[in-house]
Amino acid sequence: SQQGEEDPQALSIQEGENATMNCSYKTSINNLQWYRQNSGRGLVHLILIRSNEREKHSGRLRVTLDTSKKSSSLLITASRAADTASYFCATAFGGYQKVTFGIGTKLQVIP
Amino acid sequence: EAQVTQNPRYLITVTGKKLTVTCSQNMNHEYMSWYRQDPGLGLRQIYYSMNVEVTDKGDVPEGYKVSRKEKRNFPLILESPSPNQTSLYFCASSSGGLGNEQFFGPGTRLTVL
Repeated sequence: SQQGEEDPQALSIQEGENATMNCSYKTSINNLQWYRQNSGRGLVHLILIRSNEREKHSGRLRVTLDTSKKSSSLLITASRAADTASYFCATAFGGYQKVTFGIGTKLQVIP
Repeated sequence: EAQVTQNPRYLITVTGKKLTVTCSQNMNHEYMSWYRQDPGLGLRQIYYSMNVEVTDKGDVPEGYKVSRKEKRNFPLILESPSPNQTSLYFCASSSGGLGNEQFFGPGTRLTVL
């Protein structure tokens, strides 16, 4: 089944720096979402971008979507120690009944 | 407070002993789903439900059963657990389709010996 792949799998940055994570997928999608997971806890929805959108912002988050390359990126600006978490992309397809998650990017922000 | 609850949060059991993990949401969502999370494999969907009495298989349904008798509840049943079902399980709910924002429960860490 279709699955998004995040890149890199792990990322370590200093507080205040920007963090960029990428997600690639295989087939056409309805939308793409990013979720955050703090160590072993439930996922929390961050942002949703539809297939006809190219860029979306939410606070310090910026998401881009390139459907021609089947890829998306999540940018976290001015990172904080509290941003330390795993980040997952999820692709929705098939009339919103199906969604698949990638394996995640583990972000560490060093104070 | 809008939330998805799961019970138990931690469970250690033995092979073959039937168990049920409960999931409940208070947001009146039509869609509910179960996932398992394993290192290096991300989240994989086990079963999902579009509404009461409507369920369908996800990507890894073998060894699991579900039921949706009430809108708020979506229990996951392991009738004869095996060690390869040791995992972290998440229930989630959403409105308007699984492709919309999903609200996740806190997770159930299951160990099958």
